[in-house]
Amino acid sequence: AQTVTQSQPEMSVQEAETVTLSCTYDTSENNYYLFWYKQPPSRQMILVIRQEAYKQQNATENRFSVNFQKAAKSFSLKISDSQLGDTAMYFCAFMKLHTGANSKLTFGKGITLSVRP
Amino acid sequence: DVKVTQSSRYLVKRTGEKVFLECVQDMDHENMFWYRQDPGLGLRLIYFSYDVKMKEKGDIPEGYSVSREKKERFSLILESASTNQTSMYLCASSPGPVTGELFFGEGSRLTVL
Repeated sequence: AQTVTQSQPEMSVQEAETVTLSCTYDTSENNYYLFWYKQPPSRQMILVIRQEAYKQQNATENRFSVNFQKAAKSFSLKISDSQLGDTAMYFCAFMKLHTGANSKLTFGKGITLSVRP
Repeated sequence: DVKVTQSSRYLVKRTGEKVFLECVQDMDHENMFWYRQDPGLGLRLIYFSYDVKMKEKGDIPEGYSVSREKKERFSLILESASTNQTSMYLCASSPGPVTGELFFGEGSRLTVL
């Protein structure tokens, strides 16, 4: 079974600064996806970024980027130029790939990020 | 835009009541999911469905059942609600095959007294 660990329950960052959210996972699979999801207060959860394990290049989406270390089973999210709208709960998630499967994700416990004005 | 609509944002029920949580998606997605979100526990998968009338147990199916009679609708049923089922329930959908991108509803916060 796969596990996803987010060891920091809360973080805070000053507006316009950079923050990194940590995530580690455990799997014996070689082919998988990793994700960061964002859940703003009282709003629905949305996908922030996705990384395919077979790609060595780290994924980026505007101000969001990841540091994917496959050997270390680490997958951190870096948010640059933090904005007040980045205040949310962030979940790291794992999905293994196998023939015929559909998207079944395993989520971490989440981290609450507060951006201070 | 993909829209996943959960019928009730807030519900208060009594122990032993039968509870229905409804979820409808408008993007013709094959896959639908019910998660439960609790502080310090993250999201845990209750049930999922790959197709109409198909269902599979997730990680915590005990005390729950589901129904998917139409592609766009996925219902979560608590046959006899208990206080330990007080939680936030999230419905999600995704297109097949594998993408990993889930589209979530706003959630239904259920309190069982």
